[in-house]
Amino acid sequence: DSGVTQTPKHLITATGQRVTLRCSPRSGDLSVYWYQQSLDQGLQFLIQYYNGEERAKGNILERFSAQQFPDLHSELNLSSLELGDSALYFCASSVTTGANSPLHFGNGTRLTVT
Amino acid sequence: GENVEQHPSTLSVQEGDSAVIKCTYSDSASNYFPWYKQELGKRPQLIIDIRSNVGEKKDQRIAVTLNKTAKHFSLHITETQPEDSAVYFCAASDTGGFKTIFGAGTRLFVKA
Repeated sequence: DSGVTQTPKHLITATGQRVTLRCSPRSGDLSVYWYQQSLDQGLQFLIQYYNGEERAKGNILERFSAQQFPDLHSELNLSSLELGDSALYFCASSVTTGANSPLHFGNGTRLTVT
Repeated sequence: GENVEQHPSTLSVQEGDSAVIKCTYSDSASNYFPWYKQELGKRPQLIIDIRSNVGEKKDQRIAVTLNKTAKHFSLHITETQPEDSAVYFCAASDTGGFKTIFGAGTRLFVKA
């Protein structure tokens, strides 16, 4: 167990809908990262937060947004969903902003858009 | 922008043989290079990492080498076992730790 909790584990929704994915980092970790993994694909970096502030953005679509709350949990909001958004979404956390600090991944949320 | 290239995409070896996976990175500011193993349907997990002030690191059957001049680093697995079968990802991050960028992954098959 990595100590990173992601909910829900599975999510099935229709095109055009909006969903929220939740992540609780390991105790003591201040940094949260979101990654998207499509079927048999690599880990695409979406966004990173550190202690409540956005620190880095990757290939995150404008339809997607995220935030990190004062208690350090993070939410990833996906709106106007398309079939191509179906993927495994991982949250990871680290102690600092990541330099010399490995990422600890949650078990992911599998999103299926029908 | 930052990029990490990983080769090969698929690697098949016989049990007991060695496996080598290579990665190159583009951002010269990168100074931390972790490797993650992802078993089917599971989360990626760190197996070994190396920092830019070290050229080689070994942990039992796993070793990683780093050539900062050439901007490439490699994972070496010796005496492979069927349970080593998984997807392996290399990654690179810079001093600020922002945007930990992953390679595309290598699917390793170890045949018994």
